[in-house]
Order: sequence, then C-alpha cells, then structure tokens
Amino acid sequence: AQTVTQSQPEMSVQEAETVTLSCTYDTSENNYYLFWYKQPPSRQMILVIRQEAYKQQNATENRFSVNFQKAAKSFSLKISDSQLGDTAMYFCAFMKHEGGSQGNLIFGKGTKLSVKP
Amino acid sequence: DVKVTQSSRYLVKRTGEKVFLECVQDMDHENMFWYRQDPGLGLRLIYFSYDVKMKEKGDIPEGYSVSREKKERFSLILESASTNQTSMYLCASSFRAQPQHFGDGTRLSIL
Repeated sequence: AQTVTQSQPEMSVQEAETVTLSCTYDTSENNYYLFWYKQPPSRQMILVIRQEAYKQQNATENRFSVNFQKAAKSFSLKISDSQLGDTAMYFCAFMKHEGGSQGNLIFGKGTKLSVKP
Repeated sequence: DVKVTQSSRYLVKRTGEKVFLECVQDMDHENMFWYRQDPGLGLRLIYFSYDVKMKEKGDIPEGYSVSREKKERFSLILESASTNQTSMYLCASSFRAQPQHFGDGTRLSIL
C-alpha cells in the first residue's frame, strides 16, 4: 500500500520570501503521478502542480516548482516570491499510473502555510 | 472549467437522521469520489465510483453508503447519522488518471 507523509504540520513565511514544503512517499510502483493541491481558507481544493514519475525534469508552474527525487521518494514544493494569497493548506498526493484503483489519490495529512505581511 | 457542485455548504442534522449529501459534475467524468476531511487527518476516502451504478469502498466506508444512478451525480448517504460523523465532506471527479477536481465541500454537523 502507498503512503504519503508530510512532516511539517505548519509553516510560515514572510511575503516575497521562498518556502519549501516537504513530502515523502512510499510505493513499490514504478509508474505513478504526484500532485500538490492547495486548499485556501475558502475551502475549495485546487491543483497546484503535477509530476509524472517517468519524467526526470521537475515540473514548474509560475512561482511553484517541485524537487522530485524518485530514488529518495521525495517530492517537495517550492514557492517563490510568496504572496498573501498563498496562505492555505497544502496537500501532497500520490496516484497510481495504471491498474486497480487508477484515479484514486492517496493524500498526506497536509501542511498549513501562513504567509505574513 | 470543470465544475463540481455540492448541494450544501453547511448542514446541521440530528443523531439518527438519514442524511443525503449530493454532488454533481458537469464534465462527463467517469470517476467520482467522496472524502472526509478532519484536522490532523487529511483527506480520507469514503467511497468512489468508476461508472454509473458502480461503487467501491474506500478507506473508511463504515456508516456510509453511496448511490450513482446517473453519470453526473454521486450521492453520499449517512444511514443513521452519529456525532462522530461531524466533519467536512468533499466530493471530487476525474477522467481516468487525470487530476481530480473538487467541490467546495459540505460542513456537516450532527447534534
């Protein structure tokens, strides 16, 4: 069974600074997807970034980038130039690429990020 | 844009009541999911469905059932609500192994 661990329950960062959220996972699968989702205080969960395990290049989306280390089973999220609107719960999630339960997400427990002015 | 609509943002019910949470998606997605979100526990999968009239148990199905009579609608049913089912409930939908899209959530209180 797959597990996802986020070791930082809460973090804070000053506006305009850079912050990195950690995520590790455990799986015996070789092909899979990893995601970071953001849940602002308004509660709707929004996809931030996606990484396919077969791709060596780290995914980036504007100010958001990941450091994907497949051998170490690590998938951290870096937020550059933090903005007040980045304040949210951030969830790391794993999805199998194929086979049974395809499409199911395994979530970590989340990291609450506060961006301070 | 994909829209996943949950019927209520806030709901208050009494112990023993039968409770229905409704979820509708507008993108013809095959997959639909119900999660429960509690502080410190993250999201836990209750039930999911890959097709009409099809359902699979997730990690915490006890005390819940689901119904999927039409592709766009996935209902979560609390057969006899209990106080330990007070929680935030999130519905999501997806196409195959594409990212899931979430609704706004229903904050359910059982008194």
